Amino acid sequence: EAQVTQNPRYLITVTGKKLTVTCSQNMNHEYMSWYRQDPGLGLRQIYYSMNVEVTDKGDVPEGYKVSRKEKRNFPLILESPSPNQTSLYFCASSLSRQSLAKNIQYFGAGTRLSVL
Amino acid sequence: AQSVSQHNHHVILSEAASLELGCNYSYGGTVNLFWYVQYPGQHLQLLLKYFSGDPLVKGIKGFEAEFIKSKFSFNLRKPSVQWSDTAEYFCAVLSSNTGKLIFGQGTTLQVKP
Repeated sequence: EAQVTQNPRYLITVTGKKLTVTCSQNMNHEYMSWYRQDPGLGLRQIYYSMNVEVTDKGDVPEGYKVSRKEKRNFPLILESPSPNQTSLYFCASSLSRQSLAKNIQYFGAGTRLSVL
Repeated sequence: AQSVSQHNHHVILSEAASLELGCNYSYGGTVNLFWYVQYPGQHLQLLLKYFSGDPLVKGIKGFEAEFIKSKFSFNLRKPSVQWSDTAEYFCAVLSSNTGKLIFGQGTTLQVKP
């Protein structure tokens, strides 16, 4: 079954404690992306990756890091989480950038993060 | 700057009522438009999309949307809502350069049985 898998689904942590949210897709997609969803703000892109070893900042990259060492994985790293990073996070993937207009982005189930 | 605006933040309807959710976008390039739905506790699911061609687009679950270029609008409609349509609805425009989906703020729809 084609899917985007995020782990963990729920996470409560404290300020400053490094954490990683994993994202994996089994569709051989080149393009992957992270969003955060906040009430009244919709979804905003944090980082995206066109392909392996190619990443770039989205609209709200501050406080986040990503890596794309393999095609299927795109982890989101919070080196020193702060309470303003409490949010619902979604990973998404799409076949490729070149045909992005005709391809749909598939979303993971979401990770609800609370930073105390 | 690219942006998407959804005018209704919270809509409450009775079952069988008709639905129209407004969406306006600001984007200078070729537009690719989407409506996503998020049921309580679930992830985003695609309802429908517009890339080109017929401006009236039909999606899943009886939803449709009309792209009106002159009004920069892509409103979502359904003739008769059901209780199971209770969810949050997001309009989005795709930036084909970056692959970024620019989302509206979302509209929460509550359908009373």
